[in-house]
Amino acid sequence: EPEVTQTPSHQVTQMGQEVILRCVPISNHLYFYWYRQILGQKVEFLVSFYNNEISEKSEIFDDQFSVERPDGSNFTLKIRSTKLEDSAMYFCASSVGRARETQYFGPGTRLLVL
Amino acid sequence: AQSVTQLGSHVSVSEGALVLLRCNYSSSVPPYLFWYVQYPNQGLQLLLKYTSAATLVKGINGFEAEFKKSETSFHLTKPSAHMSDAAEYFCAVSDPNLGNEKLTFGTGTRLTIIP
Repeated sequence: EPEVTQTPSHQVTQMGQEVILRCVPISNHLYFYWYRQILGQKVEFLVSFYNNEISEKSEIFDDQFSVERPDGSNFTLKIRSTKLEDSAMYFCASSVGRARETQYFGPGTRLLVL
Repeated sequence: AQSVTQLGSHVSVSEGALVLLRCNYSSSVPPYLFWYVQYPNQGLQLLLKYTSAATLVKGINGFEAEFKKSETSFHLTKPSAHMSDAAEYFCAVSDPNLGNEKLTFGTGTRLTIIP
């Protein structure tokens, strides 16, 4: 069964450093998402991406964040200058369509900012 | 704005007993509703979803949920708990009218199964 994959599974970085989190969505999916889950808190939406552009973003997704689909398979989340409060589990998801369609989640990347 | 409330951050049931996890939504129109499960150190897996068809929705692993508009609820049930059901369960909502794609999650309920 096709699945969403994410790399790396864990990342430790120093405050102020740039990180890139990578995702490979399911191949025939058209909509891509990033969510995050701070330890002990709920899963929060960050951004959705369709047709090579951001279709929606939350207030969390400020200028320090960017997303890109550099080729036909990868979907990346870049944090330009990490802060301590960026420490969280980051989930990538993809879906074949909008709204009623199931979003399939990857296993996540645990980011720790020191 | 859409939101969901999950009553009970922790629920414990005995193996073989009924599982009931509560979710209430806030919306001006009937939303799309989802239940996801998260096993330790894993991602989110869809259990079931309501997208305005049948109000009683059956999912994987013997779970089901009923959409009740009058109660603004979408509670998750399973007749007989199994040890493998121990996990965190998240209710989520999306708004079909806005045509957006984001899921808004509840705070989650951690289910413990007592042998």
